[in-house]
Amino acid sequence: QVQLVESGGGVVQPGGSLRLSCAASGFTFSSYGMHWVRQAPGKGLEWVAFIRYDGDTKYYADSVKGRFTISRDNSKNTLYLQLNSLRVEDTAVFYCAKSTDCSGGSCYSCDYWGQGTLVTVSS
Amino acid sequence: DIQMTQSPSSLSASVGDRVTITCRASQSISIYLNWYQQKPGKAPKLLIYAASSLQSGVPSRFSGSGSGTDFTLTISSLQPEDFATYYCQQSYSNPFTFGPGTKVDIK
Repeated sequence: QVQLVESGGGVVQPGGSLRLSCAASGFTFSSYGMHWVRQAPGKGLEWVAFIRYDGDTKYYADSVKGRFTISRDNSKNTLYLQLNSLRVEDTAVFYCAKSTDCSGGSCYSCDYWGQGTLVTVSS
Repeated sequence: DIQMTQSPSSLSASVGDRVTITCRASQSISIYLNWYQQKPGKAPKLLIYAASSLQSGVPSRFSGSGSGTDFTLTISSLQPEDFATYYCQQSYSNPFTFGPGTKVDIK
């Protein structure tokens, strides 16, 4: 069964950095794109970033462009999100999610999600 | 960027009720619309993709319809486990924006 396990969250000061990881299992990781989605406390879902199965294409939300970097290591079945220049408003639970391919008629849907890792930006 | 809106923002309903939630995109997104369910403290769960395709394992009381800019999620007979927040998301173009959510609670 598909399993996604995030790690790396914690408390960091404004301007600081963190690297989140998402360990994937139960599917051929190297064949699927992956997303990061975040949720601030008590708020809705915000899509953050996407990376194609081979790492060659990356998309970002405007709110994180230039500060966050998505990457993957297909040999380790692991997805990453490097968070730099963190702001108080980046405080959120960060979820990784497996993307659908286009065979089912819908690319870029999030069909499996991890349990999330909490990032708190505070002085 | 494509903006997504949902209505209502919240609703109260009883077990057995038929519930309809509406999602609207700021421009045409064809059928590239997804619906997710999220319960408190849990990760979201994909219910519907491509506007009307039921994700594997999701009960048939959930259905989706629409194309272009207007979409609906219908729960034909609300069950106790369906009390949750529902989000739409467009997967037509980057950034893949979510709607603000609709909270369904018990009347």
